[in-house]
Amino acid sequence: RKEVEQDPGPFNVPEGATVAFNCTYSNSASQSFFWYRQDCRKEPKLLMSVYSSGNEDGRFTAQLNRASQYISLLIRDSKLSDSATYLCVVTFSGGYNKLIFGAGTRLAVHP
Amino acid sequence: DAMVIQNPRYQVTQFGKPVTLSCSQTLNHNVMYWYQQKSSQAPKLLFHYYDKDFNNEADTPDNFQSRRPNTSFCFLDIRSPGLGDAAMYLCATSRTGTGAYEQYFGPGTRLTVT
Repeated sequence: RKEVEQDPGPFNVPEGATVAFNCTYSNSASQSFFWYRQDCRKEPKLLMSVYSSGNEDGRFTAQLNRASQYISLLIRDSKLSDSATYLCVVTFSGGYNKLIFGAGTRLAVHP
Repeated sequence: DAMVIQNPRYQVTQFGKPVTLSCSQTLNHNVMYWYQQKSSQAPKLLFHYYDKDFNNEADTPDNFQSRRPNTSFCFLDIRSPGLGDAAMYLCATSRTGTGAYEQYFGPGTRLTVT
């Protein structure tokens, strides 16, 4: 079983749609959680951290359920510029931060 | 303005011909990482430096080596590239402390093996 699992997609949605991505992780000792965004042939960039209480950044909402080992990302009012691959990431702290990446969910927003 | 710089951006090498990829950072972060990412796959950590301490992932092939001569620079050496080593190689940095800190990625070096 992969440490971090995501639906690869692609999710094809029209502009303005709401889309949700899910992610599960296998190691209950995981301590920190993130969503990264990766554009085609570019490097990953941090989109947002994910906190147990849930957090929102503009059109983006992230949720964490530690009991179910489940993370979600909700994008409201999708824009063309949201088209990218979204990587679910967990980490174990302790001197350095080893990021464990999911393979990513591809989002394509069309006019 | 650039924080994590990788050179070259594109590298073509021949099967079996040693190649070195470089990474530099202006963030003064003490941890530097090398990842390998193949098409449609997750980035895979190869190794990292915590200051001068080298930490290899258990499944990283011996073909991959790294050097960190100072805080700012880190190199990835592939001693005998095979066709399966064609990938994007990403360098990242982070600082340390309590809690988890963001990793800053360079733009990557896309390696082609002919």
